[in-house]
Amino acid sequence: NAGVTQTPKFQVLKTGQSMTLQCAQDMNHEYMSWYRQDPGMGLRLIHYSVGAGITDQGEVPNGYNVSRSTTEDFPLRLLSAAPSQTSVYFCASSYSAGLEAFFGQGTRLTVV
Amino acid sequence: GIQVEQSPPDLILQEGANSTLRCNFSDSVNNLQWFHQNPWGQLINLFYIPSGTKQNGRLSATTVATERYSLLYISSSQTTDSGVYFCAVHGGSNNDMRFGAGTRLTVKP
Repeated sequence: NAGVTQTPKFQVLKTGQSMTLQCAQDMNHEYMSWYRQDPGMGLRLIHYSVGAGITDQGEVPNGYNVSRSTTEDFPLRLLSAAPSQTSVYFCASSYSAGLEAFFGQGTRLTVV
Repeated sequence: GIQVEQSPPDLILQEGANSTLRCNFSDSVNNLQWFHQNPWGQLINLFYIPSGTKQNGRLSATTVATERYSLLYISSSQTTDSGVYFCAVHGGSNNDMRFGAGTRLTVKP
């Protein structure tokens, strides 16, 4: 049982480049979300989805796009990377909003 | 949105000691989770505890929802307990989970 899988684990981007962080879960969870973690801080919600075809913004959505075409996958897109987006990104899933959440192993992104 | 405060921010223990970590939140919540972030950065579920008390080995947690706080107890601490402990709450009509800033625990041998 893989749980929540994130790829890549590490990434270095140049300012202005775009990329997609992948997140997949095999638990048939309806609710998926993306967080970023900055040094000395807790996790902050970027975007979330309550089911396929439905997404919404979290606390810090600017500079990020998401889509949810399947239950399993919830990719996070950086359209034009900025140094302020240097962070560790976590994807999480749960059966529904507010229930026990499970996290992927994280993606460490550096924008230079 | 809901504010989540964790205390203490840092804690250093000698192996074998006990500790209590606290999480206060500013409004009614539907659920509360405790996570341990290990030195490799992985977030591990400890407890899903919207109310009441749960125990798992040397760890236990209590949430008093009416008084808006939760406590995480670690007994007979081990070096492998080191890392950052996060409290996260989900409340109201929002679909987001709010995290505290964490308690960094260091257990020395």
